[in-house]
Amino acid sequence: SQQGEEDPQALSIQEGENATMNCSYKTSINNLQWYRQNSGRGLVHLILIRSNEREKHSGRLRVTLDTSKKSSSLLITASRAADTASYFCATAYNTNAGKSTFGDGTTLTVKP
Amino acid sequence: DAGVIQSPRHEVTEMGQEVTLRCKPISGHNSLFWYRQTMMRGLELLIYFNNNVPIDDSGMPEDRFSAKMPNASFSTLKIQPSEPRDSAVYFCASSFRGRDMGYEQYFGPGTRLTVT
Repeated sequence: SQQGEEDPQALSIQEGENATMNCSYKTSINNLQWYRQNSGRGLVHLILIRSNEREKHSGRLRVTLDTSKKSSSLLITASRAADTASYFCATAYNTNAGKSTFGDGTTLTVKP
Repeated sequence: DAGVIQSPRHEVTEMGQEVTLRCKPISGHNSLFWYRQTMMRGLELLIYFNNNVPIDDSGMPEDRFSAKMPNASFSTLKIQPSEPRDSAVYFCASSFRGRDMGYEQYFGPGTRLTVT
């Protein structure tokens, strides 16, 4: 079964507003990553947060991780039309397997 | 760095034909992943390699699919015979898995496969 599940499935906001996407997972993880996919393109890694971290920032991105609730959130501040894309969380298990499991993604539309 | 290179970018073939997708990972990366993406099933991990060795192929849908990694700079995903339900975008991704266990994956542009 899918490890990461994003919520909401789709989100539509106006340029300048903040966008928040959530990811829930089921088992213990080593780390959690967020990726962006523009239409017709491959996924692009945005940020990785380790299981012993609670919050991480990268530019306009803010990621939080709550291991007790098995959830993470991605906040994009001051959104731009160029942020329109699908956003995926991926979880890496506490194994040496080296693989990550991707959720179904949140489709974000930022209206100019 | 050119990033992950995949070829062809588009492939249209008839049912029953053999299809070979190619991937060149980023130099220095030691893990390689093959994914399939469809609207219905989302992004599925098919198989991944570490140091050219297949580690987990549990996502390979059936015996018609096979993957090889003869060296650190090249991998192929083969479908023989192809079926219309194999139509999808196939992504290759690579990463460096070291002591720090970094899992950031770098994706190629994908191969859009259409089987008629």
